[in-house]
Amino acid sequence: NAGVTQTPKFQVLKTGQSMTLQCAQDMNHNSMYWYRQDPGMGLRLIYYSASEGTTDKGEVPNGYNVSRLNKREFSLRLESAAPSQTSVYFCASRVPKGQGVPDGYTFGSGTRLTVV
Amino acid sequence: SQQGEEDPQALSIQEGENATMNCSYKTSINNLQWYRQNSGRGLVHLILIRSNEREKHSGRLRVTLDTSKKSSSLLITASRAADTASYFCATEDRAGNNRKLIWGLGTSLAVNP
Repeated sequence: NAGVTQTPKFQVLKTGQSMTLQCAQDMNHNSMYWYRQDPGMGLRLIYYSASEGTTDKGEVPNGYNVSRLNKREFSLRLESAAPSQTSVYFCASRVPKGQGVPDGYTFGSGTRLTVV
Repeated sequence: SQQGEEDPQALSIQEGENATMNCSYKTSINNLQWYRQNSGRGLVHLILIRSNEREKHSGRLRVTLDTSKKSSSLLITASRAADTASYFCATEDRAGNNRKLIWGLGTSLAVNP
């Protein structure tokens, strides 16, 4: 039972390049999330998906797109990377609401992205 | 938008001592959660306390919630060097709001051997 798996762990991009961050969970969770973490800013929600087939913007969606490919996978795409997108990106998932005891999020180990 | 504010921002203690971290928030909540993040790693869920609960324990962790003061505290008893990490509180608001969490900026805890 791997939990939440993110790839890649590290990436360096040049300004204007594109890339997709991959996230997969094997816990049968409905809800999945993408966050970025910056020093002094805490965790900020980029996009989330409450269930397969739905996605919604979070706090800082500009410059990003997402795809909920199926129940397991939720990818984050940077179409034209900018230095302001240098950050650590975390994917997370959560047990469906109403199913058993409420619990917290399960996080992936993060992707450290540098845009030069 | 930032809701939780942890206090203190940084805490340094000796092994064996207790560590207390506080979190304040602004809106009505469904629950409040505490997470730990070791350096360079993802966040790990520690404990969730619902709005109708006042205290909860998990091993060496004790969490209290005062909804009248919109505050929570996390107590780690008999701290160990392995407890060195950043600790974050996060709230799920009462509106449900698609179950999004609002995060604080964290308390950095250093436990010295």
